[in-house]
Amino acid sequence: EAGVTQFPSHSVIEKGQTVTLRCDPISGHDNLYWYRRVMGKEIKFLLHFVKESKQDESGMPNNRFLAERTGGTYSTLKVQPAELEDSGVYFCASSQDNNRGSLLNTEAFFGQGTRLTVV
Amino acid sequence: AQKVTQAQTEISVVEKEDVTLDCVYETRDTTYYLFWYKQPPSGELVFLIRRNSFDEQNEISGRYSWNFQKSTSSFNFTITASQVVDSAVYFCALSEYYNTDKLIFGTGTRLQVFP
Repeated sequence: EAGVTQFPSHSVIEKGQTVTLRCDPISGHDNLYWYRRVMGKEIKFLLHFVKESKQDESGMPNNRFLAERTGGTYSTLKVQPAELEDSGVYFCASSQDNNRGSLLNTEAFFGQGTRLTVV
Repeated sequence: AQKVTQAQTEISVVEKEDVTLDCVYETRDTTYYLFWYKQPPSGELVFLIRRNSFDEQNEISGRYSWNFQKSTSSFNFTITASQVVDSAVYFCALSEYYNTDKLIFGTGTRLQVFP
C-alpha cells in the first residue's frame, strides 16, 4: 500500500513567487493534515481536512497560504506570494476517521515532506 | 497552554550505549495522548508509539522503552544498546482529548549514533 506522497521533495523559489505543494494521502483516509517545521523549531499544525472540508485551519499563518482538497482526495497548499520566513519543511499526514468520544485514536501517517527554500 | 519541550537538541552516543530522550509536556486536559515519532534521514515521520493519559504503565518494544510519569508530566524514550540505524531526529508530541486531530510537537532531538 502506498504511503503519503508529497511533491515536490524540494523547491527553491524567489521571494514574491508562487509555489504549490501537493499531498496525496493514503487511499481511503478521510483526514488530511498539513504541518510545517521552520528550521530548528517545532513542527507546527497548519490545518486539517475531513474529506474536502476544512475542519480546522487555526494554524494557517496568514492569507498568503491557501489549502484545497477538491473531491476529498489529494490536497494542495499554495503560497502566494512567498516570503523568506515561509522557508521550512512542509509535512502532510493522513489518517482514517477516528471514533470521537472514546479513548481510541488513529495513527497519522506522515509523508516525507517538501523542503521549501525562499531566497 | 499546551506545550511539548524536548530540552536536548542533539545527543551523540557510541554504538551499544543506552540513551534516553527527554520529553516534558504541558496541558490543561486530564485526558490526552502522547506520541513519539522518528524522522530518519529519508525525511518522513515514522510513528513509534501512542500512549493515552490513563495508562501510566511503561512500555517496552524491543530495544525501545517509554517511561510515562504524570506526576512530572514526562514521557521519556530510552533506546537500549543503540545502533547506527537509530540515528535520526526524534519528536515527542501531544494531542488533547477534545482535539485529537491536532498534534503539538516538540522541537525534536537529533540523535547521532557513531560506530
